[in-house]
Amino acid sequence: DAMVIQNPRYQVTQFGKPVTLSCSQTLNHNVMYWYQQKSSQAPKLLFHYYDKDFNNEADTPDNFQSRRPNTSFCFLDIRSPGLGDAAMYLCATRAQGSSVYEQYFGPGTRLTVT
Amino acid sequence: AQRVTQPEKLLSVFKGAPVELKCNYSYSGSPELFWYVQYSRQRLQLLLRHISRESIKGFTADLNKGETSFHLKKPFAQEEDSAMYYCALLTHGNKLVFGAGTILRVKS
Repeated sequence: DAMVIQNPRYQVTQFGKPVTLSCSQTLNHNVMYWYQQKSSQAPKLLFHYYDKDFNNEADTPDNFQSRRPNTSFCFLDIRSPGLGDAAMYLCATRAQGSSVYEQYFGPGTRLTVT
Repeated sequence: AQRVTQPEKLLSVFKGAPVELKCNYSYSGSPELFWYVQYSRQRLQLLLRHISRESIKGFTADLNKGETSFHLKKPFAQEEDSAMYYCALLTHGNKLVFGAGTILRVKS
C-alpha cells in the first residue's frame, strides 16, 4: 500500500543529544510537511518542502532543521533537544496540484527527552 | 489572527445519543474549514470540509459566520465514532491551522 512511514514510532533522546526523525513516502508526492504536536495542543507546522524548496515557518526555532535528499525521504533534525521539545512529530505529504487540505499524514513519531 | 478553538478536550456520550463537537474560529474574510479525525492507532485523516456540504459517516458540519463556528454534529453516536477530532482552518498563507482537538468517547 502506498503510504507515509515514520521511523521510529517512539524515540527517546537525552537532553542536548542530537536526534533525527525520519519520514518516507511511496506516494511520490512533491510536498512534505513536518508538524510538532505537544501534549493536548494543536499540531503546529514547523516547515515544509515543495520539491527541494524549503519553507520554514517564522516561529520555528533554529534548533530544528530539515533535509530532503530525494522525493521519498525527509528528515527532521533536532540539534540540541530540550525538555520542551518532547512531542509527537507528524509528517504529511501532498501531491502537486492538490489542495492543502488533502495532506496525507503519517502515524507520527513520539519523542521523549530525558 | 487566524485561530481555531475547540473548547472541549473530552466529550463523552452514550451510544445512540446526539453528538456536537464544538469549533470556533477567528479569520478575516471567507474561511475554509475542515474536520479531521484520528482513530486509535491510525493516522490523522480528513473527515469533511464545509465547502462540500456532504455528510460523511453520518457527520455534518455547518459554517455559521455570524457565530464564527463550525460545529461537527451527528444525530446518533456509534461506538466506532470514538476518536480524536480536529477542526482546521485554511489560512491566508495557504496552510492549515488546527485546533487542539476533542476526544470523543462513545459509551455502550
